[in-house]
Amino acid sequence: AQKVTQAQTEISVVEKEDVTLDCVYETRDTTYYLFWYKQPPSGELVFLIRRNSFDEQNEISGRYSWNFQKSTSSFNFTITASQVVDSAVYFCALSERYTGRRALTFGSGTRLQVQP
Amino acid sequence: DGGITQSPKYLFRKEGQNVTLSCEQNLNHDAMYWYRQDPGQGLRLIYYSQIVNDFQKGDIAEGYSVSREKKESFPLTVTSAQKNPTAFYLCASNALQDSPNEKLFFGSGTQLSVL
Repeated sequence: AQKVTQAQTEISVVEKEDVTLDCVYETRDTTYYLFWYKQPPSGELVFLIRRNSFDEQNEISGRYSWNFQKSTSSFNFTITASQVVDSAVYFCALSERYTGRRALTFGSGTRLQVQP
Repeated sequence: DGGITQSPKYLFRKEGQNVTLSCEQNLNHDAMYWYRQDPGQGLRLIYYSQIVNDFQKGDIAEGYSVSREKKESFPLTVTSAQKNPTAFYLCASNALQDSPNEKLFFGSGTQLSVL
């Protein structure tokens, strides 16, 4: 069965520090999709990125970057020069193309607190 | 503006009472989902629907019921059989039927508490 593990329950950093959020997944499918979402205090989840299993290129978007490694089943998220506005809960999620149900499976989330 | 509207924002349930959470979307999305969020447990799937008049159970469907009579609407009823209903409930939708790779759009959630 598909599973997503975010071992870091809570991380606290000081503004301008770099921080990496870990995500490890399990799947039996050969085609799958990985996602990261941000949940600010308002509660609504905001989409950050989607990767498919055939694309292992790392991606950078401003201060955000993602490292996808199939060999270790990991899809880690790094925030460079963190800011107070980055404080939120971050979720990693997985969906399978051919097996499993047609819905995302989420990890338990990592709460990031960025102190000024 | 297109989006997903969940109401009410806060809801209180008495013992033995059924309550219904509303979810409406004007994104013309085929698929809709209900997730439950408890502290430290992430989001767990309750029900999902890929087309009108059809829906499937998720991981924690017991004590909940849904309907999908219209494409825009996917209400969730928390029945008296759900013994621990206190949680944050999130509704979501995405663009294409049978496309789990499509990103989800989320509503702002309903916090349900037991009196």
